[in-house]
Amino acid sequence: GQQVMQIPQYQHVQEGEDFTTYCNSSTTLSNIQWYKQRPGGHPVFLIQLVKSGEVKKQKRLTFQFGEAKKNSSLHITATQTTDVGTYFCAGTSNTGKLIFGQGTTLQVKP
Amino acid sequence: GAVVSQHPSWVICKSGTSVKIECRSLDFQATTMFWYRQFPKQSLMLMATSNEGSKATYEQGVEKDKFLINHASLTLSTLTVTSAHPEDSSFYICSADRDTSQETQYFGPGTRLLVL
Repeated sequence: GQQVMQIPQYQHVQEGEDFTTYCNSSTTLSNIQWYKQRPGGHPVFLIQLVKSGEVKKQKRLTFQFGEAKKNSSLHITATQTTDVGTYFCAGTSNTGKLIFGQGTTLQVKP
Repeated sequence: GAVVSQHPSWVICKSGTSVKIECRSLDFQATTMFWYRQFPKQSLMLMATSNEGSKATYEQGVEKDKFLINHASLTLSTLTVTSAHPEDSSFYICSADRDTSQETQYFGPGTRLLVL
């Protein structure tokens, strides 16, 4: 079946360092969404990318959608302790379902 | 806007009992709601898609008689875990689709179920 793979599973960085998580789909996606889940919390919608090659920024966060609409990345510049959490990508399949990646858990050491 | 609530947030029950979880969209109408299950340190697994006024569509491997879903109105969907067993202990999260053209889902805060 359709899968969305996300790497790395875990990332520990020093505060101020950059962080990137990557997402790859086995098939072309109609869009990709990114969510953040804090420990003990629920996923919170961050952004949606729809167009091939699209790049969007939210302050220190940069989101990219690949030209083939099969991969995406989230890059955080100069991480802060408030960035701690698990970041999930989720692709909308051709059947309309949201398929989540495994998530990347970010730890930031102050 | 786009607030989704879930009740209860925590539930502990004895094996064999049934537990009902409510999911409400507070400030918008949701024609579609989704139910997910999340095990510790794992991703969200879609259990079923719930459409108002019709039967839910279950994902492969999810027992529909075990996890009863009712989407009675445009703002309420319920998930009932029947005859719960310890292996049903998990974090259950619902989401609602506010705008079908955007396909953005808004998640509830989740319900942690512990079956003893």
